[in-house]
Amino acid sequence: GQQVMQIPQYQHVQEGEDFTTYCNSSTTLSNIQWYKQRPGGHPVFLIQLVKSGEVKKQKRLTFQFGEAKKNSSLHITATQTTDVGTYFCAGSKTSYDKVIFGPGTSLSVIP
Amino acid sequence: NAGVMQNPRHLVRRRGQEARLRCSPMKGHSHVYWYRQLPEEGLKFMVYLQKENIIDESGMPKERFSAEFPKEGPSILRIQQVVRGDSAAYFCASSPRTRGSGETQYFGPGTRLLVL
Repeated sequence: GQQVMQIPQYQHVQEGEDFTTYCNSSTTLSNIQWYKQRPGGHPVFLIQLVKSGEVKKQKRLTFQFGEAKKNSSLHITATQTTDVGTYFCAGSKTSYDKVIFGPGTSLSVIP
Repeated sequence: NAGVMQNPRHLVRRRGQEARLRCSPMKGHSHVYWYRQLPEEGLKFMVYLQKENIIDESGMPKERFSAEFPKEGPSILRIQQVVRGDSAAYFCASSPRTRGSGETQYFGPGTRLLVL
């Protein structure tokens, strides 16, 4: 069945350093979504990418969808302590298939 | 516009009791997902429902677990004869599933179940 993988599993960075997490799917996706979960909280939707090669920015966050629509990345520039949390990617093969979540990348930011 | 609501937020049960978790999706959303999350772990898919239909229950244990999403009222995840291993956070997410942008999921605050 379809699998979604993320690396790294954990990342510790010094405040101000950049951070990148990578998401890879075993199958082509119709879209990919990114979510953030703060410690003790619930996942919150960040963004959805639909087009091959699409790049979207939200302030210090840059999201990219691969040309083959099988991988994606989230890059955070100059991390802050408010960026702490687990970042999940999620996708589905078609608009009507079950959404599959990756295992997440847990980010710690050392002040 | 109220978000996804889950209740109770915290639930304590003794082994062998039943746990009933409720989820009210966002207004206009007809699809509900249930996930289970252990501490420091990812989201484990359990079941995907549309009103009055179970679309995919491949992640839900065959025994003791059931889910429904009736025409009226909230979605219910029911765990019968709970065991200590059922202790976890259970998240519900709703989705509009409209053409083109319906895959986005909006999560509720979760129910933290503790089995003594």
